Amino acid sequence: DVVMTQSPLSLPVTLGQPASISCRSSQSLVYSDGNTYLNWFQQRPGQSPRRLIYKVSNRDSGVPDRFSGSGSGTDFTLKISRVEAEDVGVYYCMQGTHWPWTFGQGTKVEIK
Amino acid sequence: EVQLVQSGAEVKKPGATVKIPCKVSGYTFTDQYIHWVQQAPGKGLEWVGLVDPEDGETIYAEKFQGRVTITADTSTDTAYVELSSLTSEDTAVYYCATIDSGRPFDYWGQGTLVTVSS
Repeated sequence: DVVMTQSPLSLPVTLGQPASISCRSSQSLVYSDGNTYLNWFQQRPGQSPRRLIYKVSNRDSGVPDRFSGSGSGTDFTLKISRVEAEDVGVYYCMQGTHWPWTFGQGTKVEIK
Repeated sequence: EVQLVQSGAEVKKPGATVKIPCKVSGYTFTDQYIHWVQQAPGKGLEWVGLVDPEDGETIYAEKFQGRVTITADTSTDTAYVELSSLTSEDTAVYYCATIDSGRPFDYWGQGTLVTVSS
């Protein structure tokens, strides 16, 4: 199985400041069709997860533009340009290139 | 409006079997895979498997292989996950989700808590 490794696992941030989460995969996530199926999910406390980013850098509907994704191959990053109070929660990367799909361990974002 | 609606919490004894439904509405059921994701208390997300409602084909994570069965009933637009030989380690919230890897289509159920306790 592809192992997804996130860092940091805990991220205290100041409101209005940027935040960045790294995700590395144990093998390339480039699929045979040329696409890279790397997703980012947000899980707010007590809620179901929701996807923020698909195919590395594409925002899902309704996702604020302060969220952005980047990367290629095995190294990926989620950035929040200016953290807001509603961004508190756990963020997961997930690869959908290889079966089985696998998640990272999660990064807990909290306000300092 | 797309909705995935799951059933309420379940309490099961060790060794029992649980079957959780996920009722889908708002899109054509056979157009998207249904995934199931496990989240143990205070832990992260773990992909369990998926079903293609169009033909019933399934893919399971190795951890659950042999104990899990995911099915789809196209007459009721409902997907199911069935987990057998339950142990305390199966105590978790189980989410159904429809996730399209290639376009902005991602919807989740509200989750079903399964508690395994004697």
